[in-house]
Amino acid sequence: KAGVTQTPRYLIKTRGQQVTLSCSPISGHRSVSWYQQTPGQGLQFLFEYFSETQRNKGNFPGRFSGRQFSNSRSEMNVSTLELGDSALYLCASSPGGPFYEQYFGPGTRLTVT
Amino acid sequence: DQQVKQNSPSLSVQEGRISILNCDYTNSMFDYFLWYKKYPAEGPTFLISISSIKDKNEDGRFTVFLNKSAKHLSLHIVPSQPGDSAVYFCAASYVNAGNMLTFGGGTRLMVKP
Repeated sequence: KAGVTQTPRYLIKTRGQQVTLSCSPISGHRSVSWYQQTPGQGLQFLFEYFSETQRNKGNFPGRFSGRQFSNSRSEMNVSTLELGDSALYLCASSPGGPFYEQYFGPGTRLTVT
Repeated sequence: DQQVKQNSPSLSVQEGRISILNCDYTNSMFDYFLWYKKYPAEGPTFLISISSIKDKNEDGRFTVFLNKSAKHLSLHIVPSQPGDSAVYFCAASYVNAGNMLTFGGGTRLMVKP
């Protein structure tokens, strides 16, 4: 079974721009979650989508948004990029939940200059 | 307010010996706990989980112990192998949180040959 894939793997953007990251979950998985990893804050939950609906949201500003499509693929968008948005963005999928382990993709490394 | 803490940023053990990684939590609502391993430039890999109705779960060389009264869990790796060298994260969730995981800050394990 193919794992979670994320595109692109690396991205460099300028402050003020917007960015869209993509995640394809493991086949059959209906839940997709997004996390941000930074050296200072560690791994932090952004949001979770299940059957195209946002089920949970972390403590991030409204500049961070996401969506899920009918095939369970998900995108997250960050508008008006700030230097502090530089991070590794990780996507994780699971069959449903709760109490299912989540499987992570390799991440997208975003650098904001 | 860090709800999940890993107080040891690093741990070094000799190959063949036991590695014990510790994790403390403060939120008594947490009822599902997971351990992930992370190599550089990769997403976290699921290792083992435990629900709050158990106090021990074992999978091969990996055993997780949960002490609910102390709000403490630990991961034991026996015997440790050089390939186990990675950053280990504990994570916690609860039934109404869907797939939202709260992560600890991680412990870097180095297994010396």
